[in-house]
Amino acid sequence: DAGVIQSPRHEVTEMGQEVTLRCKPISGHNSLFWYRQTMMRGLELLIYFNNNVPIDDSGMPEDRFSAKMPNASFSTLKIQPSEPRDSAVYFCASSRETSEAFFGQGTRLTVV
Amino acid sequence: AQSVTQLDSQVPVFEEAPVELRCNYSSSVSVYLFWYVQYPNQGLQLLLKYLSGSTLVKGINGFEAEFNKSQTSFHLRKPSVHISDTAEYFCAVSDWNTDKLIFGTGTRLQVFP
Repeated sequence: DAGVIQSPRHEVTEMGQEVTLRCKPISGHNSLFWYRQTMMRGLELLIYFNNNVPIDDSGMPEDRFSAKMPNASFSTLKIQPSEPRDSAVYFCASSRETSEAFFGQGTRLTVV
Repeated sequence: AQSVTQLDSQVPVFEEAPVELRCNYSSSVSVYLFWYVQYPNQGLQLLLKYLSGSTLVKGINGFEAEFNKSQTSFHLRKPSVHISDTAEYFCAVSDWNTDKLIFGTGTRLQVFP
């Protein structure tokens, strides 16, 4: 397996634009996590899915953020409208049962 | 709800010296514990994990950690560090009931020659 695949690796967008981050988890994994990493706040859990169902989205910062998992092999994190304070590295991770989570390489988002 | 505290934001150490990175957790239920390493501009990679059984866990790159339930700690140790161990280290916890994985704020290990 190629591991968790995230796209794009880098995204630069203007304030107010919509941003969509994509993630393909490892085949057979039933949990998927979205994290945001910044210098100030460290690694924050935004939302996680189990068997494609959102279980806990308490970490989603506000209504501008939304996440979907339409099937077991794909998830998106959308920010609309984007703001400069959303600039961060966004990681997707997947796991099977309660085993360790495998992380993607991340998407570095810059909102100018 | 679970939480993880990493007491040291930075740990400077000379090459070949021993190191300990501290991690404490809180949870109302039994937990699984993990240490991850992040090299610059990369994702997180699992170093080791405690699920059950022996409280001393050995991981990759010569690292080990000891689960101490009474002190709710899971400190990471290495007897002799290398320059290549310079990275950010994250402690994480998930509970037996859910897959929710919570990370500490990280400890930057800087190894000097």
